[in-house]
Amino acid sequence: DVKVTQSSRYLVKRTGEKVFLECVQDMDHENMFWYRQDPGLGLRLIYFSYDVKMKEKGDIPEGYSVSREKKERFSLILESASTNQTSMYLCASSSLDRGRNQPQHFGDGTRLSIL
Amino acid sequence: AQSVTQLGSHVSVSEGALVLLRCNYSSSVPPYLFWYVQYPNQGLQLLLKYTSAATLVKGINGFEAEFKKSETSFHLTKPSAHMSDAAEYFCAVSGLTQTGANNLFFGTGTRLTVIP
Repeated sequence: DVKVTQSSRYLVKRTGEKVFLECVQDMDHENMFWYRQDPGLGLRLIYFSYDVKMKEKGDIPEGYSVSREKKERFSLILESASTNQTSMYLCASSSLDRGRNQPQHFGDGTRLSIL
Repeated sequence: AQSVTQLGSHVSVSEGALVLLRCNYSSSVPPYLFWYVQYPNQGLQLLLKYTSAATLVKGINGFEAEFKKSETSFHLTKPSAHMSDAAEYFCAVSGLTQTGANNLFFGTGTRLTVIP
């Protein structure tokens, strides 16, 4: 089974801090994704990466950056945390297939609170 | 562009009753469609997927979904609800970015409550 591991289940940080969320997958997947999940809004894509050192903006990239130095690891960075970034953050991975039929596999999420 | 609409943010059913969760999609190309389930404080787990083979797709935990092109729908059903089915359910459609990367577009979710 695919395993996607997020480094923290719960995290509390202060406004203005630089925050790192880490995600590791063990299936050699090319694609990795970061979403945030808020009540009534579903999942919204922040950034994704389809190869090492490659990244592409999703729907809501403002205030975030990402890093993919190794294939198995995808980091989400909040440059200067703000209270409106309090949310559940989900990482996912999938294999590369231009036929589009490869589902994404999700980690358990990080519930981030910014005080 | 691709998108999905889930009708009903909350659905309540009695234990043993039929579960019907609605999803309509929009896609400029033949769609690949997915249903995911999320239990409290967990990530999303794949229930089933449609990839242009049989229109009736069977998934885990007794769920199934039928692809209806004429109605642009992919509704999720289960004949008899169980207490353990209480969760949030997400419909998603697959799409490609300009760079050819596989991406999913999610609905806003439907929270299923099962009444004893």
